[in-house]
Formats: sequence, structure tokens, C-alpha cells
Amino acid sequence: EIVLTQSPATLSLSPGDRATLSCRASQSVSSYLAWYQQKPGQAPRLLIYDASNRATGIPARFSGSGSGTDFTLTISSLEPEDFAVYYCQQRNNWPPRFGPGTKVDIK
Amino acid sequence: EVQLVDSGGGLVKPGGSLRLSCAASGFTFSSYSMNWVRQAPGKGLEWVSSISSSSSYIYYADSVKGRFTISRDNAKNSLYLQMNSLRAEDTAVYYCARDAMTHDGFDIWGQGTMVTVSS
Repeated sequence: EIVLTQSPATLSLSPGDRATLSCRASQSVSSYLAWYQQKPGQAPRLLIYDASNRATGIPARFSGSGSGTDFTLTISSLEPEDFAVYYCQQRNNWPPRFGPGTKVDIK
Repeated sequence: EVQLVDSGGGLVKPGGSLRLSCAASGFTFSSYSMNWVRQAPGKGLEWVSSISSSSSYIYYADSVKGRFTISRDNAKNSLYLQMNSLRAEDTAVYYCARDAMTHDGFDIWGQGTMVTVSS
């Protein structure tokens, strides 16, 4: 089974800062990696699919990169509504596990 | 509007059973694979089960295999999760989620339904 590791666990930043979140897979997942955003009390929302493609309606400040085992989600300039928890998920093999998450909170 | 509405959660004793439902609307339900994902209080997301569009392929997480059964009724645009032999560690918010058809990722999620297993 593929295990996903996300770092850091918590990222404390200010509005306007650039956020860089990492997701590492225990073996190659090719480009079959998705990123989700979850706010308290809400369901997750798909942000990025196939490692680098923004889902419908996702602002351009969100971008994804990487392939194989190392992936990055970048938020170019944090808006107040971006403070949330972010999860990666691999879809290359069963089970389609999620990473443990990175919380982006306000510094 | 494309929508998934989860229901059926509640309080159940250890060893008990519960059936969750997910009602789909605004899209051709029968064309999509569907999933259940859960989230224990204060914890991360855990994939639970998946079912293909025609129910030909079904997968379960090891943690629920043999106790949970996923099913769907395409005529009723509904997804189900039958949960038996419930344990305290099954306590979580359960979300149904649609598999994106043309790329990876779960692109539509229900609002979630809370399952509490406690005596």
C-alpha cells in the first residue's frame, strides 16, 4: 500500500504570504495525485487533480506540481478564506489513501 | 445543481447496525463511480469504500472489510452503506463522494452524516 506523508503538519502564515505544502508518496503514483481543501464543519473540496490541474472554479492562486513521489501545492498569495486544512490523495493504486493533512493557520 | 445529500447517521450501540444513504441529483448518477469517505472527530480523511457505475467493481478499506457493504440503486439515484458490527472506532462523519469521470479526484461531496457508536 502507498503511504502519503504531508509536511509541514502546520503552516503559520499571514494573508498575502506564499504557502508551499508538500506531499510525498512511499512509491511512485505517477501524476495521479489530487489536493483537497477542507474548512471546519465543511466537506472537502477538490482543488487540484492529476497533480497540476485546477478543478472547476478554483482560483489561479492555487497551483500544483510534481510527479512520481514528490508533489507540491502552492498558494501564491494567501486570502483570508484560504486558511484551512489541505489533504493530498493518490489514485494510482488501491486503496486511494489520503495524506494526514497540512493545516494552514493565521500567524 | 449537482448535489449529493447524505443521511442516515445517528447514535448506535457497539455491535449494532446502521444504513447510510446518499441521494444524488443534477447529474447522470448511473455513469459515475461513487465512494464513501469518513472522518473521525478531529482526525483526517479515511477512504472507506468504492463502487463502480454498474456495481461491477467494489472495494473496501481493510478496517471495514467484512462489516460494511456498499451498494447503489441507479434507478433511484442513490448510494448506500450498510454498516454492521459497529465499533467505537467507526465513530465519524461519513461523506459520499463522486469520482470525477475524466480525471482523478473526488469532485463532488455530500455534506456528511455523523455516526456515533457508543453505549
